[in-house]
Amino acid sequence: EAQVTQNPRYLITVTGKKLTVTCSQNMNHEYMSWYRQDPGLGLRQIYYSMNVEVTDKGDVPEGYKVSRKEKRNFPLILESPSPNQTSLYFCASSFRRTSTDTQYFGPGTRLTVL
Amino acid sequence: AQSVTQPDIHITVSEGASLELRCNYSYGATPYLFWYVQSPGQGLQLLLKYFSGDTLVQGIKGFEAEFKRSQSSFNLRKPSVHWSDAAEYFCAVGPYGGATNKLIFGTGTLLAVQP
Repeated sequence: EAQVTQNPRYLITVTGKKLTVTCSQNMNHEYMSWYRQDPGLGLRQIYYSMNVEVTDKGDVPEGYKVSRKEKRNFPLILESPSPNQTSLYFCASSFRRTSTDTQYFGPGTRLTVL
Repeated sequence: AQSVTQPDIHITVSEGASLELRCNYSYGATPYLFWYVQSPGQGLQLLLKYFSGDTLVQGIKGFEAEFKRSQSSFNLRKPSVHWSDAAEYFCAVGPYGGATNKLIFGTGTLLAVQP
């Protein structure tokens, strides 16, 4: 089944404790990205990757890192999480980077930083 | 700057009633337009998309949307709502700057369905 998976689905952590949210897709997609969803703000892009070893900042990259060492995986790293990073995070992928390609979203990771 | 406005934060309709969710966009050129649905605890699922051509597009689950360039709108409609349609709906526009597949999302409309 074609899908985007994220782990963990729920995470509660404390300020400053490094964490990684994994994202994996099995569709051989080139383009992957991370969004965060906050009430009243919709989804905002954090980082994106157009292919292996090619990543760039989205609209709200501060406090986040990403890597793309393999085509299928695109982990989101919070080196020192803070409470303002409490949010619902979505990973998305598409075959190419053009907007005509449908983006497929993962189920989301709900992160709480205390 | 590109933006998407969903004026209705929350809408309640009765099961079997018709539905229209509003979406207005601000974009410098002909946009690509999307509607996504997010069911509770689920990721976003694409309902339909508009790139060009016929301004009335059909999607999954009986939804349709109409692109009106003169009104900068892309409203989502369904003639008869089912209880399972209760979810949050997001309108989105792309591309942004042409360099990425980033979508600009609206803030969402939460749909409740009364029995």
